[in-house]
Amino acid sequence: KAGVTQTPRYLIKTRGQQVTLSCSPISGHRSVSWYQQTPGQGLQFLFEYFSETQRNKGNFPGRFSGRQFSNSRSEMNVSTLELGDSALYLCASSLDGQGRYGYTFGSGTRLTVV
Amino acid sequence: AQSVTQLGSHVSVSEGALVLLRCNYSSSVPPYLFWYVQYPNQGLQLLLKYTTGATLVKGINGFEAEFKKSETSFHLTKPSAHMSDAAEYFCAVSSNSNSGYALNFGKGTSLLVTP
Repeated sequence: KAGVTQTPRYLIKTRGQQVTLSCSPISGHRSVSWYQQTPGQGLQFLFEYFSETQRNKGNFPGRFSGRQFSNSRSEMNVSTLELGDSALYLCASSLDGQGRYGYTFGSGTRLTVV
Repeated sequence: AQSVTQLGSHVSVSEGALVLLRCNYSSSVPPYLFWYVQYPNQGLQLLLKYTTGATLVKGINGFEAEFKKSETSFHLTKPSAHMSDAAEYFCAVSSNSNSGYALNFGKGTSLLVTP
């Protein structure tokens, strides 16, 4: 059973640019959630999608957005990048998003903003 | 809102010694609790989870945790540490807000294993 695939693994962008990250969940999983990990703030919840609908959103500015496609693959977009957006972005795949069956994480995308 | 507190940002043990990583949570409803491990430049790997049922949960790599509702704790233990256990460990609670679910993580505990 394939795991959670995040692409790209590494990304370097310039301030002001925008970036799109991709996450392919485990086959059959309908929930994808996104987390930002930084040394200062730790792991913070960005948003969660289930069957193409955003069900929950963390406390991040509107520059952070996402979407989910009919095949459950998800993308997150960050516009007008700031230096503080440099982080490891992790996505988590889940059957129902409620935790009962656990969450499986991808290896992450390391974003560096210069 | 549900939250997690991990006591000790760094824990050092000798190889072969007991590993004890502490986690306390706050929750107004029965929580789902998780322990994840993260190796450098990698994602999070699930060690174990508690949802319902038996309060002593066994996970991978010899780790286990006990859910103690009265103490609101979910401490992670391993009888004998291996060098390969050196990593960052995160405790998390699945919270159900009015609009959906999310994982709330503790700040993490870095485990160092010395020869």
